Amino acid sequence: DVKVTQSSRYLVKRTGEKVFLECVQDMDHENMFWYRQDPGLGLRLIYFSYDVKMKEKGDIPEGYSVSREKKERFSLILESASTNQTSMYLCASSLVGQGLLAGELFFGEGSRLTVL
Amino acid sequence: LAKTTQPISMDSYEGQEVNITCSHNNIATNDYITWYQQFPSQGPRFIIQGYKTKVTNEVASLFIPADRKSSTLSLPRVSLSDTAVYYCLVVSNTGGFKTIFGAGTRLFVKA
Repeated sequence: DVKVTQSSRYLVKRTGEKVFLECVQDMDHENMFWYRQDPGLGLRLIYFSYDVKMKEKGDIPEGYSVSREKKERFSLILESASTNQTSMYLCASSLVGQGLLAGELFFGEGSRLTVL
Repeated sequence: LAKTTQPISMDSYEGQEVNITCSHNNIATNDYITWYQQFPSQGPRFIIQGYKTKVTNEVASLFIPADRKSSTLSLPRVSLSDTAVYYCLVVSNTGGFKTIFGAGTRLFVKA
């Protein structure tokens, strides 16, 4: 069964802290994505990566960075957390053979981050 | 840039067919339309994807008119377990790769 695993389901951090959200997929997928989900706004793309060490900005990259040192792992970093980054963060992956446009996104269960 | 709009919520009864429509007026030629289902405390799960006309799989059908400015997800004979949030998504590579999710439609199926 395909699996996207996010390391923490719930995190509470203080303003200014550095936060790491980890995501691992076991499907040998080339593409990986980080989204944030907020009520009434749906899912918004923060960053994505189509290969190791490659990254592309999504719609709302400000305040975030990412790291992809291994194919199976994609990390989201909040250099200095702020209260407006309180949200649900979802990681996803997809198979490059289907292209970026078509094909299925496989999501993790999400990491709910609260910044106080 | 395509913006997706879908109803906030819908109610239905078990055994009925449910149709959820999403509008995406500015969809571009190469954009795809995908629908996802999300239960509480879980990530979204793929339901169906299409480009034009009609696509059917074992759980749903997707109807896309010729102008592609809207799409309709059809769930046949819903059950209580279909109570969830349904997201319309346009995947675009116009002006850079983008995934444009709607705000979601909360479907509540009653007995």
